[in-house]
Amino acid sequence: GAGVSQSPSNKVTEKGKDVELRCDPISGHTALYWYRQSLGQGLEFLIYFQGNSAPDKSGLPSDRFSAERTGGSVSTLTIQRTQQEDSAVYLCASSLAHGATNEKLFFGSGTQLSVL
Amino acid sequence: GENVEQHPSTLSVQEGDSAVIKCTYSDSASNYFPWYKQELGKRPQLIIDIRSNVGEKKDQRIAVTLNKTAKHFSLHITETQPEDSAVYFCAARYTGYSTLTFGKGTMLLVSP
Repeated sequence: GAGVSQSPSNKVTEKGKDVELRCDPISGHTALYWYRQSLGQGLEFLIYFQGNSAPDKSGLPSDRFSAERTGGSVSTLTIQRTQQEDSAVYLCASSLAHGATNEKLFFGSGTQLSVL
Repeated sequence: GENVEQHPSTLSVQEGDSAVIKCTYSDSASNYFPWYKQELGKRPQLIIDIRSNVGEKKDQRIAVTLNKTAKHFSLHITETQPEDSAVYFCAARYTGYSTLTFGKGTMLLVSP
């Protein structure tokens, strides 16, 4: 596609439900990031995938959060037993590769998650 | 891990004035410092970046300076225009298998 695609664009769920957020990166981009954007909190790193390497999960806030990337392309971020504090915009970004010349991140338009 | 502090959190200027946003980082190994601009309701986009082998980089009305010794870098916008109004994020990383750590952002408001 022309850019990073995220779905759904908006998700309203009830506290305690599980949600899945999808990210389709730019074709050929080997690096994929998930960030969370809350009001006044900037871009909070969640997880980073690079090629076939083990993902960097150091930013996941709790074990209710998990992510996978199948076939080195599409990624799914799953939040189990959602809490109200999970409400935020979840942004996905991809880049061609890590390294000196290919570090520009291309962001998706995000998923606005609202937990009631 | 890396920690990036960004100041100020909000900045209001008059059209035509200059604006400066400052960031500090903690990891002396970091060597790549991009700036992203996020307009209201839109996704962040890269506007300029600098690597640790240079001290300054310019692109028209924007410039970034880097002081490796002090571990801080700044974004300078000259002759500000209303369309410069946005949230600006600085970031830092070590070029390699590492994450890109962002500051909390600066909301810049340029008044006509």
